[in-house]
Amino acid sequence: NAGVTQTPKFRVLKTGQSMTLLCAQDMNHEYMYWYRQDPGMGLRLIHYSVGEGTTAKGEVPDGYNVSRLKKQNFLLGLESAAPSQTSVYFCASSYFGQSTDTQYFGPGTRLTVL
Amino acid sequence: AQTVTQSQPEMSVQEAETVTLSCTYDTSESDYYLFWYKQPPSRQMILVIRQEAYKQQNATENRFSVNFQKAAKSFSLKISDSQLGDAAMYFCAYSSGTYKYIFGTGTRLKVLA
Repeated sequence: NAGVTQTPKFRVLKTGQSMTLLCAQDMNHEYMYWYRQDPGMGLRLIHYSVGEGTTAKGEVPDGYNVSRLKKQNFLLGLESAAPSQTSVYFCASSYFGQSTDTQYFGPGTRLTVL
Repeated sequence: AQTVTQSQPEMSVQEAETVTLSCTYDTSESDYYLFWYKQPPSRQMILVIRQEAYKQQNATENRFSVNFQKAAKSFSLKISDSQLGDAAMYFCAYSSGTYKYIFGTGTRLKVLA
């Protein structure tokens, strides 16, 4: 049982390049989330998904797109990377989207945009 | 809007001693959940402890316990018998009714040998 995994762990991009971050979970969770973590700030929600085939915007969605084609995977895309998107990205999942449900986090991806 | 405040950017504790990390929050909800997450240098976010607002009893997990003061909107984390492996960033988080977590800015805990 690997829990939540993220690929890649590190990435350096040039401004304007695109990339996709992959999140996978093997806990059969319905809900999945993408957060970003910046220095001096807590985690902020980018997008989330309440189930296969669905996505929704979180707190800071601009510049990102997501897809959930399979229940176990949640992809985060940057179409045209900007230096402001330099951050650590975390994926998380939970059984449902209620307060009672603990969110389980992946190990994070450190992205640098030059 | 709900907010979570961690006013201590950094704390230090001697090994085997006890330390308390502070967290305050603001909400108009009566039913909600509070969490403490640990983020070691590996970056992995690990759930340490959680508290349901409707429970008056403070949650405890081995050496970790909370002091939940609902009226004061305070949710502090006490770490007893601190160990070197406790060194990490600690985040307080709030959730009410839905998926959304609101995180504080974190407290970096250093454990001195």
